[in-house]
Amino acid sequence: DAKTTQPPSMDCAEGRAANLPCNHSTISGNEYVYWYRQIHSQGPQYIIHGLKNNETNEMASLIITEDRKSSTLILPHATLRDTAVYYCIVRVALGGGGNKLTFGTGTQLKVEL
Amino acid sequence: EPEVTQTPSHQVTQMGQEVILRCVPISNHLYFYWYRQILGQKVEFLVSFYNNEISEKSEIFDDQFSVERPDGSNFTLKIRSTKLEDSAMYFCASSERETPGYEQYFGPGTRLTVT
Repeated sequence: DAKTTQPPSMDCAEGRAANLPCNHSTISGNEYVYWYRQIHSQGPQYIIHGLKNNETNEMASLIITEDRKSSTLILPHATLRDTAVYYCIVRVALGGGGNKLTFGTGTQLKVEL
Repeated sequence: EPEVTQTPSHQVTQMGQEVILRCVPISNHLYFYWYRQILGQKVEFLVSFYNNEISEKSEIFDDQFSVERPDGSNFTLKIRSTKLEDSAMYFCASSERETPGYEQYFGPGTRLTVT
C-alpha cells in the first residue's frame, strides 16, 4: 500500500471548516483513499473514501487532486466533538478474503471554542 | 444502528496467563479483524478472518495468538501465554464485504493490562 504523509497536528475554531491534508504521492491507479478518525482511544471510525472523484457524505467531503497525489478531508462545520486523530489511509481493494488497514500516525485535530 | 461489541472492556492478567478477548461483529458481516494499539502508538493490524479461516496475519500474530469463530455470533482472540508487551488496546472490526463501500466497523476495544 502507498505511504501517506499528514501533518502531526492542526487546530480549528468551532464552527469553521477543518481542512486536513494528506500526501500520497506514490499512490497507484487501483488504490483508494480512505479517512478514519479515532476519538480518544475509542475504536477508529470510518469517515469517507474515494478513488479519483470528489466525494461527500453526511460527515465530510473528500477532495482528491487530479493527479491523485494528495487529498483533503473537509469537515465543513467543526464541533468540539470532532477533536480526534484523523488517519488518511491508501489501500487496494483486493479480492480473496479481507483487506487490512494500515494506520499511520495521523493528524491530531483540536477544535477549540 | 448496529455496532461491534467487545468484552471485557478492561482485562488485567498476570504474565504467562492465557486470555480470551471476545467480540460480537455486526450480524450480517462476513469479514473479521483484530487490531491492537499500544499506548501512544499506531493502530496495528493483527489478523483478518473470512470463511472460517485466517486470510492474512501480521508478523505480530505469532504462535501465541489464535482466533476463532466458535459460533455464529462471536469472534475471539486468544493469547496463549501473555507477555508484558502484549499490554495494549485490542480492537475488533468487521465488514460486510471487502470491497469499497463496505467499510470496517470497529468495536470500542478491550484494554489488556499484563502485570
